[in-house]
Amino acid sequence: NAGVTQTPKFRILKIGQSMTLQCTQDMNHNYMYWYRQDPGMGLKLIYYSVGAGITDKGEVPNGYNVSRSTTEDFPLRLELAAPSQTSVYFCASLLSGGTYEQYFGPGTRLTVT
Amino acid sequence: KNQVEQSPQSLIILEGKNCTLQCNYTVSPFSNLRWYKQDTGRGPVSLTIMTFSENTKSNGRYTATLDADTKQSSLHITASQLSDSASYICVVSPFSGGYNKLIFGAGTRLAVHP
Repeated sequence: NAGVTQTPKFRILKIGQSMTLQCTQDMNHNYMYWYRQDPGMGLKLIYYSVGAGITDKGEVPNGYNVSRSTTEDFPLRLELAAPSQTSVYFCASLLSGGTYEQYFGPGTRLTVT
Repeated sequence: KNQVEQSPQSLIILEGKNCTLQCNYTVSPFSNLRWYKQDTGRGPVSLTIMTFSENTKSNGRYTATLDADTKQSSLHITASQLSDSASYICVVSPFSGGYNKLIFGAGTRLAVHP
């Protein structure tokens, strides 16, 4: 199993550009999450999904959109990038009813200038 | 407001020494408390997960304790190794939040020097 994979690893965007961060898991987990991690701060939940076709907002959803058309994939879309979106983004997955263990991807470091 | 606070923010120890990291939380009631290790440039990896009824859980040289009365948890690292250099994150899951309302602490950055 590859676990949770994310692409790209790094990206520099100009203000106003858009991009999609990709996330894929091969563990057949129903829950998937997107977090952002800013220096010196705890991870903040952007969006999450409890299964294909179902998504919901987390703590900091503004400026982002998600979709979940399959169990495996959970892309995060940034529209009109702003410097405040400079951060490290982590995707994670979890199997409900199991051990509560959450598996994280390696992260995408995004800089908006 | 549900919060998770960790101390110290950073710590330097010599290889072979023990250390203890602290986590105080205001989340109540809660379902479980986790400790993660995050290497630089990587995603967090689970070390221990304790439900509200557990007092201690070990994973090799890592031992987590939980005192639900005082709302404190600690992570004790025994005989530290250079590879223990990382950030350690405490995470609390509120009882009513399901699997989506995890509350993350800011982490303790540990540096182990030879």
